[in-house]
Amino acid sequence: GQNIDQPTEMTATEGAIVQINCTYQTSGFNGLFWYQQHAGEAPTFLSYNVLDGLEEKGRFSSFLSRSKGYSYLLLKELQMKDSASYLCAPMDSNYQLIWGAGTKLIIKP
Amino acid sequence: GAGVSQSPSNKVTEKGKDVELRCDPISGHTALYWYRQSLGQGLEFLIYFQGNSAPDKSGLPSDRFSAERTGGSVSTLTIQRTQQEDSAVYLCASSQRDFATGTQYFGPGTRLLVL
Repeated sequence: GQNIDQPTEMTATEGAIVQINCTYQTSGFNGLFWYQQHAGEAPTFLSYNVLDGLEEKGRFSSFLSRSKGYSYLLLKELQMKDSASYLCAPMDSNYQLIWGAGTKLIIKP
Repeated sequence: GAGVSQSPSNKVTEKGKDVELRCDPISGHTALYWYRQSLGQGLEFLIYFQGNSAPDKSGLPSDRFSAERTGGSVSTLTIQRTQQEDSAVYLCASSQRDFATGTQYFGPGTRLLVL
């Protein structure tokens, strides 16, 4: 079957760094997406990884290891506005995104 | 259009009534998706369209739910004889649905409340 595993909730301090891990099992693989979703809003695209390694985009970086079925999202210099849910979504062989329940990130001052 | 739009933004209805939700995808996007999200929960896939056809209807929760897409653009999701458990945010997304450009872009959602 297809499965996504992320922590349900994480707490971090403003200005710090946090890493959100995701492990997945899918039928085939065509890359992995990370989305951010603020409470009461729609998800917005953050990153896409298809090859192993680290993709850096400003304060956010995303890492992928296809052999381990593992990805993480790294957020640096945390700001209060980063409080949101972060959704890991691998794409299967049918180009279908498989959605996890997401990780709720709480930033404290 | 510049982004995915959905209407209405909010809908309150009485149990047993039918509702119709509309989605306008990003111009040129061939794939269109419907999801449902209950409060504090993850995304629940309902259906997707490639052009006007729906290859995957596996997520529709019951035969009260149906969807169509015309002209490869606008889609409507219809819920007949609504039940209280249908209350949720209904999200629409569109994409090119291929290897490198499969990013799904979401609309703002329709918040449905069934009384």
